[in-house]
Amino acid sequence: DQQVKQNSPSLSVQEGRISILNCDYTNSMFDYFLWYKKYPAEGPTFLISISSIKDKNEDGRFTVFLNKSAKHLSLHIVPSQPGDSAVYFCAASGSSNTGKLIFGQGTTLQVKP
Amino acid sequence: NAGVMQNPRHLVRRRGQEARLRCSPMKGHSHVYWYRQLPEEGLKFMVYLQKENIIDESGMPKERFSAEFPKEGPSILRIQQVVRGDSAAYFCASSPRMAEPYNEQFFGPGTRLTVL
Repeated sequence: DQQVKQNSPSLSVQEGRISILNCDYTNSMFDYFLWYKKYPAEGPTFLISISSIKDKNEDGRFTVFLNKSAKHLSLHIVPSQPGDSAVYFCAASGSSNTGKLIFGQGTTLQVKP
Repeated sequence: NAGVMQNPRHLVRRRGQEARLRCSPMKGHSHVYWYRQLPEEGLKFMVYLQKENIIDESGMPKERFSAEFPKEGPSILRIQQVVRGDSAAYFCASSPRMAEPYNEQFFGPGTRLTVL
């Protein structure tokens, strides 16, 4: 039962353009969503988050949008840079009271110079 | 200001052996989470511990796997009688507190377990 889904395994974007990574979830009890970035042989690092009471959160080049009715969120990176090339994981929290995170399968972003 | 530390970074075991994975949380953090990442998949929650207590082990396989977080020392994830399907990357995350609905978790670099 995959509660958080990232249906695009990979995405390739030209440097300077916008990268849009998508994530869908099924559990309406989730009330906090996060994006993590992961380089090979390293642990995930926190990128940006959004509470379910909001529909947008922005931090520099990164913006996360949440559409609760569609149970969908997206991460926008603009402008994309080669250093953004990594695996991006969407994660959700709040369906239990332990703070555990439920991750999607990840999307590999390649930003071409 | 060391981050979350995990050791070993790489561990090779033969089928039937035991694997012990260690996690030292960030200084001042008393909450530890273990996640497992199988090849080509996302991270899956295994267990959540506070000092000397297992709070949530709903993601742990029922047999062969155990975890502890003693009063002193690192958290240990122990896998007995390993099988090839246990080959994965195991990540530990720590948090300073539990604050609903979300507590920020800081991840370690992971231990890559290979079972021959």
